[in-house]
Amino acid sequence: QISLKESGPTLVKPTQTLTLTCSFSGFSLTTAGAGVGWFRQPPGKSLEWLALIYWDDDKRYSPSLKSRLTITKDTSKNQVVLTMANLDPEDTGTYYCAHRGTTTYQFDFWGQGTLVTVSS
Amino acid sequence: EIVLTQSPGTLSLSPGERATLSCRASQSVSSNFLAWYQQKPGQAPRLLIYGASRRATGIPDRFSGSGSGTDFTLTISRLEPEDSAVYYCQQYVSSPYTFGQGTKLEIK
Repeated sequence: QISLKESGPTLVKPTQTLTLTCSFSGFSLTTAGAGVGWFRQPPGKSLEWLALIYWDDDKRYSPSLKSRLTITKDTSKNQVVLTMANLDPEDTGTYYCAHRGTTTYQFDFWGQGTLVTVSS
Repeated sequence: EIVLTQSPGTLSLSPGERATLSCRASQSVSSNFLAWYQQKPGQAPRLLIYGASRRATGIPDRFSGSGSGTDFTLTISRLEPEDSAVYYCQQYVSSPYTFGQGTKLEIK
C-alpha cells in the first residue's frame, strides 16, 4: 500500500528558506512513470500545485513560484525534498505531497500534510 | 493556465437526497484528465474520481463523475451525513495542475 508523509519545520521566519521532506513507501521513484508532487493550502482556501518530479528526474514547477522552488529526489531513501526560498507570511499553509499514478496520472495517494507558519 | 470554476459555492441538502456539483474549465481538458477530491476539516484531500468518470479504489458507487471537454459534474446520490465536506475538482492534463475553488456540501 502506498503511503506518504511530510516533515519539516512548523514555524519559519520571513525571508528564510523552507525545506520539506516527503518520505514514502509502497512504490519506487525508479519505476518508469512514477512521480511525486507537492501542493499547499492556505487556511480556509483551495489547493495549489507547487512542483512535480518524475522517475527520470524531469521536474515541473508552478510558473508563479518557479523562481523560489527546487524539487529533488533521493531514491535510495525514498524521499522527495522541496525547498522554497524567500518565505513570506502568505506562504503560511498546509503543505502536502502526493503520488502520481504511473499509467493514469492522477494524484491518487496523499500525505497527511504539514502545517507551516511564516511569522517573525 | 486552465482555470476551473466550481458551482455552487455551498450546497445544503438532506440525507438521502442527490447532490450535483459542477466544474467548468476555461479551456478543454483533453483526455478527460479531470479529478474530484473530497476534503474534510483537518484531513488531506481524498481522491474520489479520476479520468472524469472513474471511481478511485474504495469509493462507494454513490459517487459518480461525468462530463468532457469543459464541463464536468460530480454526482452524489443518496447523501449520507459523512458526505459533509468540501469537494474540489482538479485538472492534471497540463501544468500548472489547477484546482477549482471548491464546493462546500452541508448535510442538514
